[in-house]
Amino acid sequence: GIQVEQSPPDLILQEGANSTLRCNFSDSVNNLQWFHQNPWGQLINLFYIPSGTKQNGRLSATTVATERYSLLYISSSQTTDSGVYFCAVGNDYKLSFGAGTTVTVRA
Amino acid sequence: GAVVSQHPSRVICKSGTSVKIECRSLDFQATTMFWYRQFPKQSLMLMATSNEGSKATYEQGVEKDKFLINHASLTLSTLTVTSAHPEDSSFYICSAYSGSFNEQFFGPGTRLTVL
Repeated sequence: GIQVEQSPPDLILQEGANSTLRCNFSDSVNNLQWFHQNPWGQLINLFYIPSGTKQNGRLSATTVATERYSLLYISSSQTTDSGVYFCAVGNDYKLSFGAGTTVTVRA
Repeated sequence: GAVVSQHPSRVICKSGTSVKIECRSLDFQATTMFWYRQFPKQSLMLMATSNEGSKATYEQGVEKDKFLINHASLTLSTLTVTSAHPEDSSFYICSAYSGSFNEQFFGPGTRLTVL
C-alpha cells in the first residue's frame, strides 16, 4: 500500500506563530486530504488538494504531486488550532492516513 | 453540507455481548462508506469498505465474522461488533464518500468500552 509520512510528529507553538506541516507519500495519488482531529475525536475536513495550492483563512496547503509531498501552513496560530493534523492520500475514494502531527498552541 | 452522524457516541458493554454502531450521511447519498478504528494516540486504521447493496470489503487482518457490516441504503451503514471482548475496546469512526466533492466526510466517532 501507499506509505504516508508526516513531519514533525509533534509541534509546540506560541500563539501567533506560523508553522508548516509536511506530508510525504510513496506513490502517485489522485486524492489527498488534510484533516484536523479535535480533542473530542471529530475529524474536520481542511482541504481536498491532490495538486496545487488552496487557502482558507489562516490555513493554506500546497501539493506538489510530481514530487509526492504536500505542505499545510498555519499562520497566526490560535489555541483552537491545537489537535492532531492528518494527511490522507489514495487513489479514487480509498485513503491511507499518515501518523499525524500533534500541534499544541500555547497562549 | 456533507454531514455524517454516528450513533451511539459512547457505549459500555459486558464481554460477550454484541454492539451495533450506525453511520448516516445526513445531506448526501453515499454509495461507499468506510469504517476505521483508532487506538489512543495512533492514526486511523481502515477496517472495511462498505458498499451499498453489496458485501463489504475487509482489510487484511480484520475478522469478517467479528465485525459485521451492513450498508442497506444510500445513507446508512452499520457496524456490529459481535461477541465483544476487552481487546475490541477502541474508538470507531465511520466516513462517507461524497462523489460531488470527491472527499470522505467523517462521523464524530463511537467510543466502545468492553468490560
